[in-house]
Order: sequence, then C-alpha cells, then structure tokens
Amino acid sequence: NAGVTQTPKFQVLKTGQSMTLQCAQDMNHNSMYWYRQDPGMGLRLIYYSASEGTTDKGEVPNGYNVSRLNKREFSLRLESAAPSQTSVYFCATRFGGIQYFGAGTRLSVL
Amino acid sequence: QKEVEQDPGPLSVPEGAIVSLNCTYSNSAFQYFMWYRQYSRKGPELLMYTYSSGNKEDGRFTAQVDKSSKYISLFIRDSQPSDSATYLCAMSVEGQNFVFGPGTRLSVLP
Repeated sequence: NAGVTQTPKFQVLKTGQSMTLQCAQDMNHNSMYWYRQDPGMGLRLIYYSASEGTTDKGEVPNGYNVSRLNKREFSLRLESAAPSQTSVYFCATRFGGIQYFGAGTRLSVL
Repeated sequence: QKEVEQDPGPLSVPEGAIVSLNCTYSNSAFQYFMWYRQYSRKGPELLMYTYSSGNKEDGRFTAQVDKSSKYISLFIRDSQPSDSATYLCAMSVEGQNFVFGPGTRLSVLP
C-alpha cells in the first residue's frame, strides 16, 4: 500500500522550461490537492480537485495548471518555469477531515 | 490576523523533557484539528487528529483542543532525539479546505 506517490523526487529546470509533476494515490479518496512549501510560508494551496473531472484554484494558482486524469491521478504542470517557482511541492488526498501527503518533489528553477 | 498562528521556534529541549507545542486560531467553525510531523526533506506525516473538543492520547503524544479559547496543543512526554522534526498544526471544516500553521521546529538534544 503506497498511499500517495509523487514523481519525480527532484528536478532542476531552466527558466522558461516546462514540466509536469505527477501524483498517484491508491487510497480511493475523491479529493486531491497540490501544495507548495516555502521557508517561513508554510503550506500554500495551489489547486485542488474535489472529485474526478473537477478542479479549482487555491491560494497561489498563477503559473500552474492541473489535470485530474482519473480518480487515482492528479498532475501539476508548469508551462514556463520561473525562479519564483523554486519550492517543494506536495500532493495530498483527503478523506473526511484528514489529509494524507506524498513525499514531495523538490524543484529548482535556475 | 492570520487564521492559524504557530510559534515557528526553533525549540530545543533535552532528551526526556516534556514538550508543549501550540496553535491558536480565529475561525470558530473549525471542526477537525490535526498535528503533522515533518522530518527534514520529507512530506508531512499525520501524527494525531481530533474531532471537535477534548483530549486524545497515543503513546507519548497527547493532543488537546480547547474550542472556547481557540487553542490547540500537542504534548510529547519523554521526548527522544527521534522526535526532532517540524510539527505542523492544521484545521478544517468538513467539506472546506485546510488551513496550516507555519510549523514549529523542534530539536531534542541527547
């Protein structure tokens, strides 16, 4: 039982490059989330998906897009990466009032 | 006023000490209260959760919620070096998004 799996674990991009962060869950939860975590800022919500086929913006959606491919998978895309997007990205699922997190993707944009 | 306030620390204690970690919040509608532990370069791991008010104990850990004071606490008894991590409080209302504290960094010194 892997829970929430994120790939890749690490990535270095140049400014302007694009990439997709992948998230998959085997917990059969409807809701999935993408957060970024920066020093001193805590966890900030980028996008979330309450169920398959729906997505909504969170607190800091600019520069990102998401796709809820099916119930298991929720991807986050950076179309044109900027240094301000250097961060640690976490995917999470939700069941009732509790969230469960993946191990994170550490992204550096040079 | 931020929705959730948490002292970022760092907090250093000797091994065996009792640790008290706290968060205050402003939204009286919060129903779920969670504590996550995050080791360096890892994802947040659910440690304990409480629904509504009261206490919950799990081994060396006790979570307390005082809704009248809008204050939650996590106590760690007989603290160990392996407890050294960042502790995040989180809160939610059923069906709504989560709000996280910035985290308190704890070091337990041997």
